[in-house]
Amino acid sequence: NAGVMQNPRHLVRRRGQEARLRCSPMKGHSHVYWYRQLPEEGLKFMVYLQKENIIDESGMPKERFSAEFPKEGPSILRIQQVVRGDSAAYFCASSPLGGSSYEQYFGPGTRLTVT
Amino acid sequence: DQQVKQNSPSLSVQEGRISILNCDYTNSMFDYFLWYKKYPAEGPTFLISISSIKDKNEDGRFTVFLNKSAKHLSLHIVPSQPGDSAVYFCAASGSGGGADGLTFGKGTHLIIQP
Repeated sequence: NAGVMQNPRHLVRRRGQEARLRCSPMKGHSHVYWYRQLPEEGLKFMVYLQKENIIDESGMPKERFSAEFPKEGPSILRIQQVVRGDSAAYFCASSPLGGSSYEQYFGPGTRLTVT
Repeated sequence: DQQVKQNSPSLSVQEGRISILNCDYTNSMFDYFLWYKKYPAEGPTFLISISSIKDKNEDGRFTVFLNKSAKHLSLHIVPSQPGDSAVYFCAASGSGGGADGLTFGKGTHLIIQP
């Protein structure tokens, strides 16, 4: 049973370019969460999605960031016109639908470097 | 404003001894707490959790204790093994249904010395 998959693992973008980060949840999981980790910091919640719905985006920056989780395919975190401050590790997590499990299972992360 | 605090950035423990990692929280709405372990260049791995209706949960070498009145929880690892060397994150959830983002502390780097 494959875990949470994220790609790419490493992404380098120049300032002003777009970054697209992908996340495939664990099989049977329909809740997806995105987190960002800056150096020497803990993970910060960004957005929580279910299929075709954004449930909570309270942690997302108001501009340039968007997320989706389509009916088919992976969840996408999109960062437009990247700036150096966007350089971080971005983690995706998933949890099962309707289960009593509160635990979120994390992918290996995408390390974004903005040059 | 940090709602989950891990005040020890690092902790060094001798192999075979007990490791105790501490975590404090300020938000009384948190009702579920989790510990994650993280190796460099990998995602966090779930270790153990506890609901606010309990004060202790045990899983093998790992035990989590919750003191609600003090808003404090701790993770005990006994006996400590070299493979336990990693960064440990405390996290909390507040909706009561797991359907929200977790709030993480900054982590404690545990080093197990042979």
